[in-house]
Amino acid sequence: SQKIEQNSEALNIQEGKTATLTCNYTNYSPAYLQWYRQDPGRGPVFLLLIRENEKEKRKERLKVTFDTTLKQSLFHITASQPADSATYLCALDRYSGAGSYQLTFGKGTKLSVIP
Amino acid sequence: NAGVMQNPRHLVRRRGQEARLRCSPMKGHSHVYWYRQLPEEGLKFMVYLQKENIIDESGMPKERFSAEFPKEGPSILRIQQVVRGDSAAYFCASSPGFLANYGYTFGSGTRLTVV
Repeated sequence: SQKIEQNSEALNIQEGKTATLTCNYTNYSPAYLQWYRQDPGRGPVFLLLIRENEKEKRKERLKVTFDTTLKQSLFHITASQPADSATYLCALDRYSGAGSYQLTFGKGTKLSVIP
Repeated sequence: NAGVMQNPRHLVRRRGQEARLRCSPMKGHSHVYWYRQLPEEGLKFMVYLQKENIIDESGMPKERFSAEFPKEGPSILRIQQVVRGDSAAYFCASSPGFLANYGYTFGSGTRLTVV
């Protein structure tokens, strides 16, 4: 069956360090992958999209890699700040079998940046 | 731009009652998606709609759940004869076009509690 696994349920990191979150998938061949941030009691917020033919994407302190051979994406936050503390979700497109593609989400990694 | 508006934010229903959740997409967005998030679970796709059309309802339970997106007005997710297991956060998202080019914009969700 198709699976998306975000390897750490929780990750604690010291302020100023680089946080690295992992997303692995099996039995998928996604055309692209997205990362979202979710704060408690709020809806997810879109951060970055990377396509299968792109190896790396950057946006300010964020960097995403996409390795379709390893079936893995890495999400990096450099110079992490306490305000980066949140749950980060990875999402992949999946053909639903009903004529459309949908985003399927992992369960997320809760990041805590310690001052 | 007010973003994706969901109401109510919190909804309490007794078992057997009906719950109606509303979602107004971002201005200019014609694609609407509903997701459900159970405690300690990831976001699960329910249904994808465009104006006056259900495109994909492969994630909707076969009974008691229905969704619509009329020509005028918000999208509605309707749950009839609610049971305790329906208690969850329900998120609506919208996008302006085909999934591969855009991230989703999510609302803040409706938290349904069935007592």
